[in-house]
Amino acid sequence: GEDVEQSLFLSVREGDSSVINCTYTDSSSTYLYWYKQEPGAGLQLLTYIFSNMDMKQDQRLTVLLNKKDKHLSLRIADTQTGDSAIYFCAVSILYNFNKFYFGSGTKLNVKP
Amino acid sequence: GAVVSQHPSRVICKSGTSVKIECRSLDFQATTMFWYRQFPKQSLMLMATSNEGSKATYEQGVEKDKFLINHASLTLSTLTVTSAHPEDSSFYICSARRTSGGGSDTQYFGPGTRLTVL
Repeated sequence: GEDVEQSLFLSVREGDSSVINCTYTDSSSTYLYWYKQEPGAGLQLLTYIFSNMDMKQDQRLTVLLNKKDKHLSLRIADTQTGDSAIYFCAVSILYNFNKFYFGSGTKLNVKP
Repeated sequence: GAVVSQHPSRVICKSGTSVKIECRSLDFQATTMFWYRQFPKQSLMLMATSNEGSKATYEQGVEKDKFLINHASLTLSTLTVTSAHPEDSSFYICSARRTSGGGSDTQYFGPGTRLTVL
């Protein structure tokens, strides 16, 4: 199966950039996703990237993919206190779009 | 965007009773829905894949007789926790698979249901 790993915590100051990292093991990974979960809520899809892309930008969010190193990152520019949440990296693999493999989640704490 | 709802958002029940949780895709049809369980401060654990018009596919270690899944229509899947016990207390999240143009395929998640079994 696929192993997806993330660091557990990240703390930044308001206005700084946040970078959340994720590594995966299966080179067949096709779609890679970032989800945000606020306390007591479900997961909100933030963005996703197809494996043939290196970068995707969407307003304050930038996703970088290093396929060689199997490394995915999410950069949040001008981080706000409302960005405090748990961020999950998820990957799906070519021959099984049904199954998502989730990382353990990174808790982002934004200090005012 | 794609919206998925769950009902109820919270439920408290006595040990031995059954609880039904509904998952609906509100603005798209979903032939495939998924049920996850999330323990405190942990990631999501896939329990089963719910397929419209056919039997659900359960992940290893998940009791299909304990967690009954019915995908009655293209917009509704239900999870019934039968004879619930305190160890079934958890946060249950559903998702619905949406296939977009260009071949992209993603899952949209419901807000979750907090189940507490006394």
